[in-house]
Amino acid sequence: GAGVSQSPSNKVTEKGKDVELRCDPISGHTALYWYRQSLGQGLEFLIYFQGNSAPDKSGLPSDRFSAERTGGSVSTLTIQRTQQEDSAVYLCASSHAYEQYFGPGTRLTVT
Amino acid sequence: AQRVTQPEKLLSVFKGAPVELKCNYSYSGSPELFWYVQYSRQRLQLLLRHISRESIKGFTADLNKGETSFHLKKPFAQEEDSAMYYCALSTTSGTYKYIFGTGTRLKVLA
Repeated sequence: GAGVSQSPSNKVTEKGKDVELRCDPISGHTALYWYRQSLGQGLEFLIYFQGNSAPDKSGLPSDRFSAERTGGSVSTLTIQRTQQEDSAVYLCASSHAYEQYFGPGTRLTVT
Repeated sequence: AQRVTQPEKLLSVFKGAPVELKCNYSYSGSPELFWYVQYSRQRLQLLLRHISRESIKGFTADLNKGETSFHLKKPFAQEEDSAMYYCALSTTSGTYKYIFGTGTRLKVLA
């Protein structure tokens, strides 16, 4: 079956613009995670959705970052007023148990 | 504080040589430890889970609670093992919210 998909695969935006990144998890997976992958920084946890519970937003770096998950499926990560330090690969993963299945990522470049 | 440390950013070994990727963690409870791998132009994927005590692609990892380590080992490295390896810690049973290390890039030289 289809794995986790993310769109767009690449996004170049000007500093100060808002961006939306999309994640389509594997059907039936109740948990969905967003991470940021930066050179030398590894994988930084951003936010976690589990079923209908309130999301764990403890990893969001600032209030410019937000995410939602509609209908327990698709998720959108929004970054407002982008800054150059937001440039990174944003990874989404979904799971129904211990193993997380990752998407291909969205490479965000803020110029 | 909960933390995963991978001290080596880059590890280069020759084909056929043993390889050990180091991972140390900081957590006061009973953690679950994982190794994830990302091959070139592929997605990040699970390699090993400590509870399974399996050998995957010749790799093994033993959880040492005394040393708070979960090092990844393979006796004879192959060129196809070249990849980025991440150690991850799950601290809360049932949620599997991971703390990842910064990763180690393994290069296996011919």
